[in-house]
Amino acid sequence: DTGVSQDPRHKITKRGQNVTFRCDPISEHNRLYWYRQTLGQGPEFLTYFQNEAQLEKSRLLSDRFSAERPKGSFSTLEIQRTEQGDSAMYLCASSFLNCPDNNEQFFGPGTRLTVL
Amino acid sequence: ELKVEQNPLFLSMQEGKNYTIYCDYSTTSDRLYWYRQDPGKSLESLFVLLSNGAVKQEGRLMASLDTKARLSTLHITAAVHDLSATYFCAVDISETSGSRLTFGEGTQLTVNP
Repeated sequence: DTGVSQDPRHKITKRGQNVTFRCDPISEHNRLYWYRQTLGQGPEFLTYFQNEAQLEKSRLLSDRFSAERPKGSFSTLEIQRTEQGDSAMYLCASSFLNCPDNNEQFFGPGTRLTVL
Repeated sequence: ELKVEQNPLFLSMQEGKNYTIYCDYSTTSDRLYWYRQDPGKSLESLFVLLSNGAVKQEGRLMASLDTKARLSTLHITAAVHDLSATYFCAVDISETSGSRLTFGEGTQLTVNP
């Protein structure tokens, strides 16, 4: 039984470059979430999908950010024209729709982004 | 806007001692979650609390939820070094569930020999 996986685990990029992260949720989990965590803070919600539909986006998700989940399985998060303020840990989580009152989310190892 | 506050933010305690971490939130919810995070690692789910008065225990940790007071506690009994980590509470206030979690700032726990 594999958990949530994310790739890459670390990414160093120069300001202005585009980056893309991938998340593979736990199989059978049809909800997928993206969060961002900066040092010393709790995770902040970015967006979430139910199957392939993107149902909610935080105002933190500027127009430089785009997320997709084309087939309702893995998801990608792209950041265009990266800025130093984008440096953070990007966490993906998944949960199971069939437990409507239980939104227990299982987190992946995260992708640590450093923008130079 | 929902606010989730934890205290203390930093806790240093000796092995064998007891202590309680508090999590209070500003909007009605009956779904609260506790997570553990080790340095440089992701979040591990500890407890799921889904109703007023819910109490869950696992080893030396016990979590409870009082939805009327909008307060959850994480009690540590006879702390051991392995419990050193950052602990987060998170609240779900979405009407349909399955939406965003709002996290507290975290409590960084250090257990000293």
